[in-house]
Amino acid sequence: DAGVIQSPRHEVTEMGQEVTLRCKPISGHDYLFWYRQTMMRGLELLIYFNNNVPIDDSGMPEDRFSAKMPNASFSTLKIQPSEPRDSAVYFCASSLAGQAQYFGPGTRLLVL
Amino acid sequence: KNEVEQSPQNLTAQEGEFITINCSYSVGISALHWLQQHPGGGIVSLFMLSSGKKKHGRLIATINIQEKHSSLHITASHPRDSAVYICAVPYSGGGADGLTFGKGTHLIIQP
Repeated sequence: DAGVIQSPRHEVTEMGQEVTLRCKPISGHDYLFWYRQTMMRGLELLIYFNNNVPIDDSGMPEDRFSAKMPNASFSTLKIQPSEPRDSAVYFCASSLAGQAQYFGPGTRLLVL
Repeated sequence: KNEVEQSPQNLTAQEGEFITINCSYSVGISALHWLQQHPGGGIVSLFMLSSGKKKHGRLIATINIQEKHSSLHITASHPRDSAVYICAVPYSGGGADGLTFGKGTHLIIQP
């Protein structure tokens, strides 16, 4: 298996623009997680899905952030409008229930 | 929400030394994760354990559920072990939850 795939790997955008991050989980995994990593706050859970259904989005920082999982093989995390404080590395991970999580390579986002 | 404390935050050691990284958490859990983040940024799961001890090569992870404490040991450390080691637990304790993370231990092994 190719592992968890994320795109783009790097994104540079200007404040106010819409940003869409994409994730393809490992085939067969029924859990998908979105995390954010910054120097100040470390790794934080944003939202996670089970069988394409959002289970907990309490980590989503504000209404500018939204996430969808239209099918078992694809998820998006959207920021609209983006702000400089959103600059971070965004990781997607997937797993089977109660098993180890497999992380994607991350998307490095820089909002100018 | 579970709180995770790791120590030390930074550790520099000589090649061959025995390394110990500690992790404590606040809420009872079903399992604890040890992750490794390479200098390039990728995150790899090293262990997921719910009791006792697990060993993989030169890495050993132990957990004491009653004391809410885990340790990661590296025997015969090598420069290629240099990385950030992160302890993580389910944020509300459940097995399939998203994770809450410690701040990581930045390990440097000098030749």
